[in-house]
Amino acid sequence: SAVISQKPSRDICQRGTSLTIQCQVDSQVTMMFWYRQQPGQSLTLIATANQGSEATYESGFVIDKFPISRPNLTFSTLTVSNMSPEDSSIYLCSVYVTDDGYTFGSGTRLTVV
Amino acid sequence: GENVEQHPSTLSVQEGDSAVIKCTYSDSASNYFPWYKQELGKGPQLIIDIRSNVGEKKDQRIAVTLNKTAKHFSLHITETQPEDSAVYFCAASIGGNEKLTFGTGTRLTIIP
Repeated sequence: SAVISQKPSRDICQRGTSLTIQCQVDSQVTMMFWYRQQPGQSLTLIATANQGSEATYESGFVIDKFPISRPNLTFSTLTVSNMSPEDSSIYLCSVYVTDDGYTFGSGTRLTVV
Repeated sequence: GENVEQHPSTLSVQEGDSAVIKCTYSDSASNYFPWYKQELGKGPQLIIDIRSNVGEKKDQRIAVTLNKTAKHFSLHITETQPEDSAVYFCAASIGGNEKLTFGTGTRLTIIP
C-alpha cells in the first residue's frame, strides 16, 4: 500500500497566523483527500485535490480558509489560514490506490492559542 | 449525501471475548465499506474492507459482514486482546477515488 509522509506532525500556532501542512506519497496518485478530525470526533472531508485542477471543497469549507496546492502526482499541501482556537484539530491527508483502498497519513496535530 | 451511523460509541469487553460494532449507511450507491483502527496519536489504519458484491470477509480474528438490502455492515473481533483497544471507524464510499464518509467511531476497551 502507499506510504504517506505528513509534516509537521504537530504544531502550536498563534491565532491569526497560517500553517501549511505537507503530504508526500511514495507513488503517483490521481486524487488526494484532506480531512479534519476535531478532538474526540470522527473524520470530516475538507476537500479533494486533483493534480492540475482546482480542489473541490465540501460544504462548510472554503478555499480562502483552506487553500490547497497539488503541484504533482505525489505531493499536496493544505494551508490553514487566519487561525483561531476553533481550528485546533488533527489534519490528515489520504490517498486511494486500487486494490489497497484508502491510506492515511499519520496526521498533523494543530493547537491554536 | 451519504450518512453513516455507528453504534455503540463505547464498548468494553473482557479479554478473550468477542466485540461487535455496527454501522448503517443511507446511500444505496455506496459499494465499498472499510473499517479503520485509530490508536492515540496516529492516523487511521485500514484493518479490513468489504465490497458490495461480497457478504462476508474474514482475516484471522477480524470479520466484516454486509447486508446491502438493510444497508448495514458490522465488524466482528474474536478472541480480543489488550492491543485491540483503540477507536474504530466504519466508512462508506461509492467507489475508488471517491470520498469516504465516516461513522462517528467506537472506543473499544479490552479489559485484561
